[in-house]
Amino acid sequence: KNEVEQSPQNLTAQEGEFITINCSYSVGISALHWLQQHPGGGIVSLFMLSSGKKKHGRLIATINIQEKHSSLHITASHPRDSAVYICAVNRYTGTASKLTFGTGTRLQVTL
Amino acid sequence: GAGVSQTPSNKVTEKGKYVELRCDPISGHTALYWYRQSLGQGPEFLIYFQGTGAADDSGLPNDRFFAVRPEGSVSTLKIQRTERGDSAVYLCASSLRGSPTDTQYFGPGTRLTVL
Repeated sequence: KNEVEQSPQNLTAQEGEFITINCSYSVGISALHWLQQHPGGGIVSLFMLSSGKKKHGRLIATINIQEKHSSLHITASHPRDSAVYICAVNRYTGTASKLTFGTGTRLQVTL
Repeated sequence: GAGVSQTPSNKVTEKGKYVELRCDPISGHTALYWYRQSLGQGPEFLIYFQGTGAADDSGLPNDRFFAVRPEGSVSTLKIQRTERGDSAVYLCASSLRGSPTDTQYFGPGTRLTVL
């Protein structure tokens, strides 16, 4: 079982829909990151969370440390949001700064 | 300023050959990471440098893989006797200090194909 699990693996939505991507992890962490990867492109950091909630534009990320769960929400989705969204964590044990990644959620937003 | 750059962007090689992949981190970033991403998977950690030294190389799959960062800036990932299973996108990232709360800035990756 992966230490970081994401759901769903694939998601198709129509423009304007509210989208939720979930991330669960099974290890102790110091921080959780949400990343975005466009096809053929590099990875961009969206959020770093250690508690609570963060908002940036139409993106909202929340984390529940007790339940070891985080969600990424996209409001008023748009085709340009189509990408792979990856959850990654910094574990407490070992090298704290290296990232352990989920397998990603592939999002396609259609007109 | 310039982001993280990686060269080459694509590398095709034959089984058994030696390859070198280069990463230029953001200037002033002391921490540098190499990750490997296979098709349809999330990236996997390979090695982490703090300055010139490899602080954690626990992700290197075997002794065919080696990485250096001799002056604390540019890093080279070296793969000997390549195998078809080494085919993947190799990603480099850098961060300012290597703190868990630092943002890691990723390069565009090098797509390695071993025929």
